[in-house]
Amino acid sequence: NAGVTQTPKFRVLKTGQSMTLLCAQDMNHEYMYWYRQDPGMGLRLIHYSVGEGTTAKGEVPDGYNVSRLKKQNFLLGLESAAPSQTSVYFCASSPGGEGKKETQYFGPGTRLLVL
Amino acid sequence: GQNIDQPTEMTATEGAIVQINCTYQTSGFNGLFWYQQHAGEAPTFLSYNVLDGLEEKGRFSSFLSRSKGYSYLLLKELQMKDSASYLCAVRVYSGTYKYIFGTGTRLKVLA
Repeated sequence: NAGVTQTPKFRVLKTGQSMTLLCAQDMNHEYMYWYRQDPGMGLRLIHYSVGEGTTAKGEVPDGYNVSRLKKQNFLLGLESAAPSQTSVYFCASSPGGEGKKETQYFGPGTRLLVL
Repeated sequence: GQNIDQPTEMTATEGAIVQINCTYQTSGFNGLFWYQQHAGEAPTFLSYNVLDGLEEKGRFSSFLSRSKGYSYLLLKELQMKDSASYLCAVRVYSGTYKYIFGTGTRLKVLA
């Protein structure tokens, strides 16, 4: 039981390049989230999904796209990377619903540097 | 809008008690979470409050007052390994569940 995994762990991009970050969870969770974390700004929600085949915008969605073709996977795409997208990206999943067990579980993070 | 405030940084001594405060202004409140995040690592779940009052779990306790939009995390018998950032997050519901995070409080525990 690996929980939430993310690939890659670290990546350097040049401005204008594209890439896809992969998040996978083996807990059969309905909800999945992508956040970015920048110094002094906390975790900010980029996009999220409430189930297979669904996606929704979060707080800072511009410049990113997502897909949830399979329940266990949530992909974050950068079509044309910009230096402002340099950040640490965390994926999280949760069962969906209320109660203590409905907390989020986080992946280890992807450190992205855009030059 | 949705807003969560917590102090940026705190320092305490090993063996002491520290209280980290969190105030929030959100709509659709559906629970308050505290996470611990060590440098370079992912956040991990510490505690959860949805009703007013104190929840205790070992050396960690968390308190919630929904009418005041206020929570605190209490850490007792501080250890060096408690040096980390502590994130306050509010789960909100408006048809779907989302989590709003504060900027985090970086705690330094000194010997």
